[in-house]
Amino acid sequence: EAGVTQFPSHSVIEKGQTVTLRCDPISGHDNLYWYRRVMGKEIKFLLHFVKESKQDESGMPNNRFLAERTGGTYSTLKVQPAELEDSGVYFCASSQEPPLAGVWNEQFFGPGTRLTVL
Amino acid sequence: RKEVEQDPGPFNVPEGATVAFNCTYSNSASQSFFWYRQDCRKEPKLLMSVYSSGNEDGRFTAQLNRASQYISLLIRDSKLSDSATYLCVVNSAPFSGGYNKLIFGAGTRLAVHP
Repeated sequence: EAGVTQFPSHSVIEKGQTVTLRCDPISGHDNLYWYRRVMGKEIKFLLHFVKESKQDESGMPNNRFLAERTGGTYSTLKVQPAELEDSGVYFCASSQEPPLAGVWNEQFFGPGTRLTVL
Repeated sequence: RKEVEQDPGPFNVPEGATVAFNCTYSNSASQSFFWYRQDCRKEPKLLMSVYSSGNEDGRFTAQLNRASQYISLLIRDSKLSDSATYLCVVNSAPFSGGYNKLIFGAGTRLAVHP
């Protein structure tokens, strides 16, 4: 079974440019998450989709970040305009819908997109 | 104060050694606890869940102390292949609008040498 895939694996852009990251979750996984690790810090939650709906976007740093999941399959995360502090590794994860509220299902992570803003 | 705190290490140990990692979390309402492993420039992968009664998976033993809000991981008979960063991870409290949100510690780096 294919795992979570992310594209591109690396992106180098200049400050002020726009970048779009893509995540394809494991087939059948309704839950999709975006996380980010900036240099020297811990991995931090950005947002959570259940199918095409945003369940929790409390971790989104500001309005330069826009996440979408049209059709409830793959997701994109757009950064516009990119700033230096946006550099880091962006991870996507997916999990199955739990049978009961509050029950946790394993989140499977993609390989990440390493973003460098110059 | 960080929500999940870990000793960053690195822990440099010889093969065959026993090594213990500790972690504390700040939200007493947290419900689920995990250890993830992350190899250099790779994604995090679930190593094991942590239960109140303690649980063991081969050479790995995890313990949870809810009263102290403390989680531990013990690795016995270390192998070269155990070299990685070990991430202490907590599931945010349920019914808070994001019950599946994971909160990561910064990780503890382990280097096992021959």
